[in-house]
Amino acid sequence: AQKVTQAQTEISVVEKEDVTLDCVYETRDTTYYLFWYKQPPSGELVFLIRRNSFDEQNEISGRYSWNFQKSTSSFNFTITASQVVDSAVYFCALSRMNRDDKIIFGKGTRLHILP
Amino acid sequence: EPEVTQTPSHQVTQMGQEVILRCVPISNHLYFYWYRQILGQKVEFLVSFYNNEISEKSEIFDDQFSVERPDGSNFTLKIRSTKLEDSAMYFCASSEAAGTVYNEQFFGPGTRLTVL
Repeated sequence: AQKVTQAQTEISVVEKEDVTLDCVYETRDTTYYLFWYKQPPSGELVFLIRRNSFDEQNEISGRYSWNFQKSTSSFNFTITASQVVDSAVYFCALSRMNRDDKIIFGKGTRLHILP
Repeated sequence: EPEVTQTPSHQVTQMGQEVILRCVPISNHLYFYWYRQILGQKVEFLVSFYNNEISEKSEIFDDQFSVERPDGSNFTLKIRSTKLEDSAMYFCASSEAAGTVYNEQFFGPGTRLTVL
């Protein structure tokens, strides 16, 4: 079975601090995709990143970075120099590497960036 | 940039009533999905649809739910007799079919359904 665990329900940090959101996944598949989505207060789902299970290289995009470690089944997300606009719920997710497979979401981490 | 659209943005209905949630997927996409998010909870898969057939459905997707692609552009989710626990945000998503390469699912903005 596939499962995504985001142990941090809610995090509050002061603006400009760095913050890491944890994600641990379970799957029996040898090939899979991992995702992060952002859900701002307006409610839509904003796609942030997809990584495949073949590629464990860390990725950086501006203030965002992702650390994928297969050995610990983790795909953590770090925001550097956080801003108030980063306040949102962040979902980690997983899918099989089939072209039409469903996405399995974690419960999300609500991030509050305090001014 | 092409996007998935959903109507209405918010639907309020009485318990026991039928509702139809509408989605217009991106025009060249062939795979369609519905997901549900109860307030404050995670996003859950309901159903996937391809070639006018359900590809996969979750345990949530019981006989009260149905999906249809009535024409070349719309993809609908019908709930026959709504219950209070159907109150949620419903997201439609679509992806194109291109060989065996993964195709990103593009999500619509969601329809918030409130059952009174």
